[in-house]
Amino acid sequence: DADVTQTPRNRITKTGKRIMLECSQTKGHDRMYWYRQDPGLGLRLIYYSFDVKDINKGEISDGYSVSRQAQAKFSLSLESAIPNQTALYFCATSDPRAGPNSPLHFGNGTRLTVT
Amino acid sequence: GENVEQHPSTLSVQEGDSAVIKCTYSDSASNYFPWYKQELGKRPQLIIDIRSNVGEKKDQRIAVTLNKTAKHFSLHITETQPEDSAVYFCAARSNTGGFKTIFGAGTRLFVKA
Repeated sequence: DADVTQTPRNRITKTGKRIMLECSQTKGHDRMYWYRQDPGLGLRLIYYSFDVKDINKGEISDGYSVSRQAQAKFSLSLESAIPNQTALYFCATSDPRAGPNSPLHFGNGTRLTVT
Repeated sequence: GENVEQHPSTLSVQEGDSAVIKCTYSDSASNYFPWYKQELGKRPQLIIDIRSNVGEKKDQRIAVTLNKTAKHFSLHITETQPEDSAVYFCAARSNTGGFKTIFGAGTRLFVKA
């Protein structure tokens, strides 16, 4: 879906640097998620948010933080990047108005390399 | 918390044959089971989903089956085509525990022409 936009698409950074990945959506969905994809490990949930005042840890939140600046924006930060955070990161949204079984809609992904 | 296991990790079939991917989940409260397809370099996209009150669902060449007692569910693709080549992810979600969608590790499907 072009209406879940992630920036940047690619980023190379050095160990110890602070980096922010951004996600914005025009779908009007309340729920937003950050996932990390590694080969052989699938998609693992980092953080999720059900509205602007709601932030929840996922499976692998250590080393990450998030900010839900508005309904449409959900950013992921690495306070001090380390090489094992090299991965493909996906933002996703879902619409609770579609019922409890509404699917995830993914952005295009951000490929992050930490050297 | 929920854990989803997926097998096999790689599957190679001849065009026209069927492909089956199997998943098991641990949380008996899980009630929603989507399947996503990820083509090379692209985002995962939903291809089919099933709810816990349904045992089977079909959509053209793809079908999913769910066995709640055994806590496993499967994706079946019939008459495979080269464009079915992709990574497939199963997932499970429970209405308790925060509506989190937990994914399996993925299956890379190769369809040989």
